Amino acid sequence: AQTVTQSQPEMSVQEAETVTLSCTYDTSESNYYLFWYKQPPSRQMILVIRQEAYKQQNATENRFSVNFQKAAKSFSLKISDSQLGDTAMYFCAFMKLIGGSQGNLIFGKGTKLSVKP
Amino acid sequence: DAGVIQSPRHEVTEMGQEVTLRCKPISGHNSLFWYRQTMMRGLELLIYFNNNVPIDDSGMPEDRFSAKMPNASFSTLKIQPSEPRDSAVYFCASSFVGQETQYFGPGTRLLVL
Repeated sequence: AQTVTQSQPEMSVQEAETVTLSCTYDTSESNYYLFWYKQPPSRQMILVIRQEAYKQQNATENRFSVNFQKAAKSFSLKISDSQLGDTAMYFCAFMKLIGGSQGNLIFGKGTKLSVKP
Repeated sequence: DAGVIQSPRHEVTEMGQEVTLRCKPISGHNSLFWYRQTMMRGLELLIYFNNNVPIDDSGMPEDRFSAKMPNASFSTLKIQPSEPRDSAVYFCASSFVGQETQYFGPGTRLLVL
């Protein structure tokens, strides 16, 4: 069974600085996807970024980028130029492909990020 | 696009009552997922459908829970009878097979007294 571990329950960062959230996962699959979702106080789950396991290039979305280390089964999220609106719970999630099609998401426990002015 | 729509947004009920949660996926999406979020267990899958067919219901806690998807634009999650331990936020998510990204609804916060 796949597992996702986020070892940092809480983190804080000063506005405009950079912060990195850690995520490791365990799987025997070779073909899968990884995601970071953000959950602000409104509880809405918002996709931040995704990474296909077969791609060596790290995904980037504006201020958000990942460091994907497939051999180490590590998938960290870097937030540059942190903004107050980045304050939220961040969930790392794993999805394996079943018969070439998507399966369900398996989530980590989350990291609560606070951006301080 | 309106996004994934869930109703009700909040539900307070008494133990033993029937609860029905509803979800309308994004138009054109053919996969639908029900997740539950609690402090103790985090986010976990309950059931998911592809093309209206249940694919994996291994996360459904027990016979008190049932889910249906009668057509591509509507799904229900029913709890009968409800218990206090069912109190949680229930999320519906949808996606298009081949695009892998799941889009979540706003969730239904359920409180069973």
